[in-house]
Amino acid sequence: EIVMTQSPATLSVSPGERATLSCRASQSVSSNLAWYQQKPGQAPRLLIYGASTRATGIPARFSGSGSGTEFTLTISSLQSEDFAVYYCQQYNNWPRMYTFGQGTKLEIK
Amino acid sequence: QVQLQESGPGLVKPSETLSLTCAVSGYSISSGYYWGWIRQPPGKGLEWIGSIYHSGSTYYNPSLKSRVTISVDTSKNQFSLKLSSVTAADTAVYYCARPSLAAAFENWGQGTLVTVSS
Repeated sequence: EIVMTQSPATLSVSPGERATLSCRASQSVSSNLAWYQQKPGQAPRLLIYGASTRATGIPARFSGSGSGTEFTLTISSLQSEDFAVYYCQQYNNWPRMYTFGQGTKLEIK
Repeated sequence: QVQLQESGPGLVKPSETLSLTCAVSGYSISSGYYWGWIRQPPGKGLEWIGSIYHSGSTYYNPSLKSRVTISVDTSKNQFSLKLSSVTAADTAVYYCARPSLAAAFENWGQGTLVTVSS
């Protein structure tokens, strides 16, 4: 089973600054990596798929990079609505298996 | 625009079977995609439970496989989840979801909280 590890667990950043979130896979998942944003009481929202492609309607300040085992989600200039929990997910062997990371909580500094 | 809506009992007794249904609107299940169930215990992360195709082909998380059954009813445009022998550890918000063509889950239901308690 592929294990996804996100770091840090909590990230404190000021509005307007850049946030960088990391996700590591225990083995290569190629570019089969997605990022989700989840706010309290809401379902997750797909931000990025294919490691770097923004989903429909996602602002350009969100960008994803990486391949293989190391991935990064960057939010270039944090807006108040961006403070949330972010999850990475691998789907390298879909639909047989999907695995999520444990999440990074992005909080206001 | 596709919409998904979970429904089912919010309280299940230990050792019994949890049953949920996901009603889909705005898209025909028969048109394709592997439709999925994902859960999230309170205050914790996301766990994929399993997925089903309109033909009935299923894939399950190995950690839950012995207790999970996912089925589809194309005539009602819905799919269902059954989880047997539940314990308090199965208390969670349960989501149904549809992946995009790229396989990531693009469309989600609002989720339904199921509590396992006597």
